[in-house]
Amino acid sequence: QSALIQEASVSGTVGQKVTLSCSGNSNNVGGYAVGWYQQVSHGPPKTVMFGNSLPSGIPDRFSGSKSGATASLTISGLQPEDEADYYCSTWDYSLNSQVFGGGTKLTVL
Amino acid sequence: EVQLVESGGALTQPGESLRLSCAASGFTFSQFAMSWVRQAPGKGLHWVSAISGSGGSTFYADSVKGRFTISRDNSKNTLYLQMNTLRAEDTAVYFCAKLPVFYWPTGGNLFDSWGQGTLVPVSS
Repeated sequence: QSALIQEASVSGTVGQKVTLSCSGNSNNVGGYAVGWYQQVSHGPPKTVMFGNSLPSGIPDRFSGSKSGATASLTISGLQPEDEADYYCSTWDYSLNSQVFGGGTKLTVL
Repeated sequence: EVQLVESGGALTQPGESLRLSCAASGFTFSQFAMSWVRQAPGKGLHWVSAISGSGGSTFYADSVKGRFTISRDNSKNTLYLQMNTLRAEDTAVYFCAKLPVFYWPTGGNLFDSWGQGTLVPVSS
């Protein structure tokens, strides 16, 4: 059981807006910035969101937000190349450990 | 351009040891904390260990504490993971990852760059 809870799967059509969520508690998501990592076909992860900041080279259709203990990654204008697994991660103060969500498999229909 | 290249992964028997390396380039290595993250076959990402920019502070997941040792040689721009008493459940692809800060933990410990990974199968 991951400390951070993500949807197992999300799907959308090309051009659609989708939102992935990452739920935790005050010891992790509620207290720290959250990173979002994209992994295509079990290749190396790629950072797509850095707290609320977009890393260099990542399209601006990706955006991040947080409300309380839930972080969200929104992809506006879904593209076929966005199909991947997405993981959220942050520090957990009570566990004294970095924690990851279980990952969301995003399918572009 | 930041580059992280892992090496050292190999088929290993339970109880044996292995050392992974991560060669870094494209940035001032000594100024940034580094970490190891692993992924078991068909599973999600799992944090393993982290080290501050100077190497003076190290951190471990409970699952590897006492068996794994993270270190770095800032003169060689290389990160290491010494893995002892390996178990079948340590079988995974091991990724090294860079943070944009010197210390660990800092904020949410966000990773900004990742290596390609190196596979460590542990089996008799």
